[in-house]
This record gives sequence, C-alpha cells and structure tokens, in this order.
Amino acid sequence: GNSVTQMEGPVTLSEEAFLTINCTYTATGYPSLFWYVQYPGEGLQLLLKATKADDKGSNKGFEATYRKETTSFHLEKGSVQVSDSAVYFCALRILGFKTIFGAGTRLFVKA
Amino acid sequence: EAQVTQNPRYLITVTGKKLTVTCSQNMNHEYMSWYRQDPGLGLRQIYYSMNVEVTDKGDVPEGYKVSRKEKRNFPLILESPSPNQTSLYFCASGDRGSTEAFFGQGTRLTVV
Repeated sequence: GNSVTQMEGPVTLSEEAFLTINCTYTATGYPSLFWYVQYPGEGLQLLLKATKADDKGSNKGFEATYRKETTSFHLEKGSVQVSDSAVYFCALRILGFKTIFGAGTRLFVKA
Repeated sequence: EAQVTQNPRYLITVTGKKLTVTCSQNMNHEYMSWYRQDPGLGLRQIYYSMNVEVTDKGDVPEGYKVSRKEKRNFPLILESPSPNQTSLYFCASGDRGSTEAFFGQGTRLTVV
C-alpha cells in the first residue's frame, strides 16, 4: 500500500544549526510529495512540494528533493531559527485529493 | 480572504450525544476532506468529497458521516460519539487543478 515514514522526534537544535528531517515513502504510481508545517495551535500550512522525480521544492530557506531511486523526500534547512519550531509533516498524494501523511516530526529550536 | 473555517474550535461532549462539526470554504474548491490527527499517527483521512453529492470513505471512516449538499460546506457528523473519537480534527479543501490543500484551524474534540 501507500505510506509515508518520517523520522521520529522531537528534534532539538540550537539556532543556526543545520536541519534534516528524513522522509521516505512507498507508493504505487507517481505521487506528488509535500512538506506541511503546523505551528502551535494552528492548522497545517503547505511548506513546499515536488510533483515529479528530481524536482526540488523550496520555501523560506527549506528545501527537499524528490528522489525516486531512494523513494525519499528529506527536508533540509541550512540555518534554523527559533521561529521554525513546529511540527513538520511529510505527505504524498496520488489520485485526486487523497493525501497520506507521515506521523509528524516535532522540531524545537533553542536560542 | 481565502480560508477554510471550522466550528467549533473546541468541544467537550458526552458519549452518545450526536454532534456536528461544520466546515466551510470560500474558494469555490471542488475537493473537501476531513482528517483526524492523533499523536504518533499523523493525519488520517476520514472522508473526502470530490464535488457536490459525491463523497467517499477515507482510511478511518467508522463512526463518522458526512454530507456535501453545497459546494462550500462539508459537515462532519458523529451520530454517537465515543471516547476513541477524542482527537484533533481538520477540514481541508483544494482545487481540482492543483495539488495544494488548504486546511482549517482545527477542532479539538473531547468525548467523555
């Protein structure tokens, strides 16, 4: 079946540290891949997306590259800020509007 | 302002008392969907709708009902809530031609 696996959290980093949150997927067909962010007390916001192999999504200093050979979509940021503290969800979408989410990774960034 | 609005934001109820969580979007989106978010499980899809009068089960539909009588509204109905339906619920909408989904602020439901 279709599924998304992302690294367990929480991830705790100091400000300006490098961030990687791993995400791998299993899918039939050719999914679109997403990272969503959830700030405390809020809904989900789309952070970035990639719709085909080798595409790189980027936004607010975050990047992720759609790797078909390793079925991965790892999220990276070169220098995190306290304001990046949130829960990050990796997700895939195959048909129409059905989206499958990973379990989420909580990120804490210390000043 | 383009948005997905859920009501209520917080609800505490008792087992067996029917309740409805409303969801409304003002973007004329065809697709709407309900998710529940539980620790360690991420978001799981309950039901989705691809257009008016077209609904289908997601991954965890048991104990829930939906309706799509108008394009903008997609209420979630719990006919007889149970404690295992205590969760954080999100409504989302999207346009047929886009891969992006827009989420509501969430409804935190507690069933005692």
